[in-house]
Amino acid sequence: SQQGEEDPQALSIQEGENATMNCSYKTSINNLQWYRQNSGRGLVHLILIRSNEREKHSGRLRVTLDTSKKSSSLLITASRAADTASYFCATDARSGNTPLVFGKGTRLSVIA
Amino acid sequence: NAGVTQTPKFQVLKTGQSMTLQCAQDMNHEYMSWYRQDPGMGLRLIHYSVGAGITDQGEVPNGYNVSRSTTEDFPLRLLSAAPSQTSVYFCASSYARRGQSPLHFGNGTRLTVT
Repeated sequence: SQQGEEDPQALSIQEGENATMNCSYKTSINNLQWYRQNSGRGLVHLILIRSNEREKHSGRLRVTLDTSKKSSSLLITASRAADTASYFCATDARSGNTPLVFGKGTRLSVIA
Repeated sequence: NAGVTQTPKFQVLKTGQSMTLQCAQDMNHEYMSWYRQDPGMGLRLIHYSVGAGITDQGEVPNGYNVSRSTTEDFPLRLLSAAPSQTSVYFCASSYARRGQSPLHFGNGTRLTVT
């Protein structure tokens, strides 16, 4: 069963614009991770944010976490055509013994 | 440093055939897992292992077997292929258990069952 749900399902923007993707989840977590998947390839890890952190940055990526709302957002600034990919959030639930659970992803298209 | 290597890249099976999807990692990771990815469904966990000799079921284990005789290898066996198993299969590994550290993914095996 999906723990994280990304929103929107698809997003199309012009090169240079910012892209924001959201992830909502249902149960308390230890951490939340974001991954990117280029067409025909495996997923690549982007950022891990722990439950006691509110914001993390990595280059043009900014991730926020609001545990009170059970939501996270991924912001890509100054997008490039090479950012075209699917983006997934994955959650490590605090209870139970379930490994990382992935959402269905947001498909981002950056138009040059 | 190859990371996670999956073979084959593509496979076509007939209903009822069996096969093994290979996965090997050279990072000395204890944790390994298999996911399947279907359109509109995201990634669903099939089986995982927290170390050599230890395996456990994920969300969708039926029709699949795994074993972990070494730290490096984690093969996935399809016992009797069915069209519902047509999917893209990903193997992933990490140095810590469960979701405590980032997963490293292979590039996938695209399986078609006719």
